[in-house]
Formats: sequence, structure tokens, C-alpha cells
Amino acid sequence: QSVLTQPPSVSAAPGQKVTISCSGSSSNIGNNYVSWYRQLPGTAPKLLIYDNYKRPSGIPDRLSGSKSGTSATLGITGLQTGDEADYYCGTWDNSLSVWVFGGGTKLTVL
Amino acid sequence: QVQLVQSGAEVKKPGASVKVSCKASGYSFTSFYIHWVRQAPGQGLEWVAIINPSGGSTNYAQKLQGRVTMTRDASTSTVYMELSSLGSEDTAVYYCARAVGGSYPYFDYWGQGTLVTVSS
Repeated sequence: QSVLTQPPSVSAAPGQKVTISCSGSSSNIGNNYVSWYRQLPGTAPKLLIYDNYKRPSGIPDRLSGSKSGTSATLGITGLQTGDEADYYCGTWDNSLSVWVFGGGTKLTVL
Repeated sequence: QVQLVQSGAEVKKPGASVKVSCKASGYSFTSFYIHWVRQAPGQGLEWVAIINPSGGSTNYAQKLQGRVTMTRDASTSTVYMELSSLGSEDTAVYYCARAVGGSYPYFDYWGQGTLVTVSS
């Protein structure tokens, strides 16, 4: 059972928008920055969002991040079949002094 | 360019130990912490450990305390993760990742992953 809670799966049609939630507590999300990662089958995770909402170079503005209290959200607009992947949120936990991940969300583009 | 290159796949018997390496290049090795993350087949990401390549200080996931050891060799810019008393539950792909962002870290570069299979 993961410290951060994500929905196991989300789906939407091509061109539509989807959001993925990540719920934590004051010891992690509430007092730290959240980052998001995309993982394609058989590959290493890739950074999509850091510091709650910032995008690394090369990540399109179709992807966005936000945080409110002890929850964070990843948004993807203009869905493409290439967006099908597993998505993970992560942050540092001050109480446990460890990094914590969400359980991951599988995005299906119908 | 920044690269983290890991050692190759390993097959170990239950009770044995495994040592996986992660060689960094393209940046100042001692400037950024390195984390290890593992992923069991069909499962999510699980954080394993962190090392400060500068001073060598470490911290480990509680469930692995006593079985995992992270070390580094600054002369070769390489970090090592050793896991002992292996069981089937340790079968996973192990990734190293560079953490940037100071007090609010995130992982900007990842190794390619090393599959560790524990089987009799």
C-alpha cells in the first residue's frame, strides 16, 4: 500500500482531457513539492512535472501540474495514443525521511 | 550529457547477495544525491535508498534495513547498491536516479534499469 494514493486507471478519448490525482498528507505533499513521472512499458520513468507545476525542457504544455493542500493533480489535454503509459507522483516524506511514490495510474486513450 | 549507466542483469539464488552499479557521467558526481528505486514485475515504483555521493551518508527504506547497503566510489563516479539475503520478493528491476532540486528534490535522470531475478 503506497503512502500516496492515485487512481489505478483513467481513460479518455483522443483529443480529450484527463486528470490524475495524487493524495497524501501534511508530512509529504502538504509540505513538499510534487513531481510526476511517465513510464512506458520496459523503460525507465521520465520526469514530466517538478516543483508541483514546472515542466522540464521538451515537455509540451499539454501537460500541467497543480497542488492544493495535501493533494496534487496532473492534467493532460489533447490526448494522444502516445500518452498511454503509467503515471506516478512522488515527493519526500518529512516524517519517514524517505521518498514516497503513488501506486501509479494507467492511462488508456480509447 | 548526463548519463547513468547501470550494470547488467543478474540471476541469484535465494539467500544470496547482489551488487548493482550505477556509473554517472556528464556532471559533477559529488553535487547530486543518487537514489535507488525498484519495480517488481507488474507493480509500481518502490523507493529503496539514497546516498550522498559527497560524504557517503545514506538512508534506506525501513523494510530493507539491515539487508541493503549503498556505497560510492568517487574516483570512478560510481554508486553501488548491495542487497543481501535475497528472496523471491526482491525480484525486480532496480533503477538509479539522480536527484536535483536541493531541499525539494525530484529525479531528472534515470539509469536504464537492472533486472535482478531471484530463483532457485
